[in-house]
Amino acid sequence: ELKVEQNPLFLSMQEGKNYTIYCNYSTTSDRLYWYRQDPGKSLESLFVLLSNGAVKQEGRLMASLDTKARLSTLHITAAVHDLSATYFCAASNGAGSARQLTFGSGTQLTVLP
Amino acid sequence: KAGVTQTPRYLIKTRGQQVTLSCSPISGHRSVSWYQQTPGQGLQFLFEYFSETQRNKGNFPGRFSGRQFSNSRSEMNVSTLELGDSALYLCASSLKQGYSGNTIYFGEGSWLTVV
Repeated sequence: ELKVEQNPLFLSMQEGKNYTIYCNYSTTSDRLYWYRQDPGKSLESLFVLLSNGAVKQEGRLMASLDTKARLSTLHITAAVHDLSATYFCAASNGAGSARQLTFGSGTQLTVLP
Repeated sequence: KAGVTQTPRYLIKTRGQQVTLSCSPISGHRSVSWYQQTPGQGLQFLFEYFSETQRNKGNFPGRFSGRQFSNSRSEMNVSTLELGDSALYLCASSLKQGYSGNTIYFGEGSWLTVV
């Protein structure tokens, strides 16, 4: 059974600082998703990582995937208040029609002025 | 391009009742999946539909069911509601079956409260 563990669960950081959210998964997964969720809102897709060594960047966020270590990271550079949200990673396993997303517990990020 | 549309957005039901939630995927998307989000259990997979067939099902009791129509629209039904069914129900759509490398887009969700 695929399990996904995120840490930290809560992150409070100062504006302008850098930090990394970690996402570990327990069994083989060939793709990793990152989502953002604002309070009372749905999930906004940030990144889809499809292969070992994949790195994607959008603005102040950069995600990477290491399939050998079963680890994905979401790095935040020079945080701003607008990045305050809950961030979820999700791994996908199975093949063909048997895929489903298994989500981590989420990291609640608060960026302080 | 319209996103994933879910209706109703908010609803309150009484224990023992049943509820039907609707999801219209992004135009051209044929795969629809449903997820339940609760503070205690987080985001959990319910089921996935492609070409009107359920392709995968999560670990939920038989009270949870769904279907997909020929236009890819999907409905999920929960019968004999329990207090623990109170949750945000999210619908996700993707172009291909089983999320074959494509981005998965989520709707705004249906907030269900069971009293």
